[in-house]
Amino acid sequence: IAGITQAPTSQILAAGRRMTLRCTQDMRHNAMYWYRQDLGLGLRLIHYSNTAGTTGKGEVPDGYSVSRANTDDFPLTLASAVPSQTSVYFCASSDSAGAQADTQYFGPGTRLTVL
Amino acid sequence: GDSVTQMEGPVTLSEEAFLTINCTYTATGYPSLFWYVQYPGEGLQLLLKATKADDKGSNKGFEATYRKETTSFHLEKGSVQVSDSAVYFCALRKGAQKLVFGQGTRLTINP
Repeated sequence: IAGITQAPTSQILAAGRRMTLRCTQDMRHNAMYWYRQDLGLGLRLIHYSNTAGTTGKGEVPDGYSVSRANTDDFPLTLASAVPSQTSVYFCASSDSAGAQADTQYFGPGTRLTVL
Repeated sequence: GDSVTQMEGPVTLSEEAFLTINCTYTATGYPSLFWYVQYPGEGLQLLLKATKADDKGSNKGFEATYRKETTSFHLEKGSVQVSDSAVYFCALRKGAQKLVFGQGTRLTINP
């Protein structure tokens, strides 16, 4: 069982370019999440999806968009990248969006550098 | 709003030393509390959790007790190993709201 896969592993991107980070899970989880991890700030939620066909904004959604066309895939798009979006991006999933004690499972991350 | 505060790192210990990483939280009601660990080059994975006051979560020799009276969930291990070197995140979740993470504590264990 692969769990959660993310692609690419790392990417260097010129400012102003469009970029899509891919995330796929094989656990049939209902909920999926995108976080960014910056030094000294822990993880911050960008967008989430409670179930296929729905999405919501997290703590830092500006400059990012997501879609959830099916259960397994949850791509994150940067429409026009800026240097402040340089970060490590983690995709995560959980069985239920509403269960307080549910465990979230994380992918290996994508390291993105915007120049 | 809800928040989690962890002791600042980095923390450096010798092998077999006793470990405590402090975590306190601010939240109304009864959130669930979690410790996640991030090994070098990997994503986060759940280490342990507790869902109600006085619950003790444990895994891989690590323990943490949900203390409602002090709003704390300190992580402890009696004898650390080099393989425990990682970044540790305390987190809370209340109801259907999203996970709230602390800033992380980097732990390095020297042989």
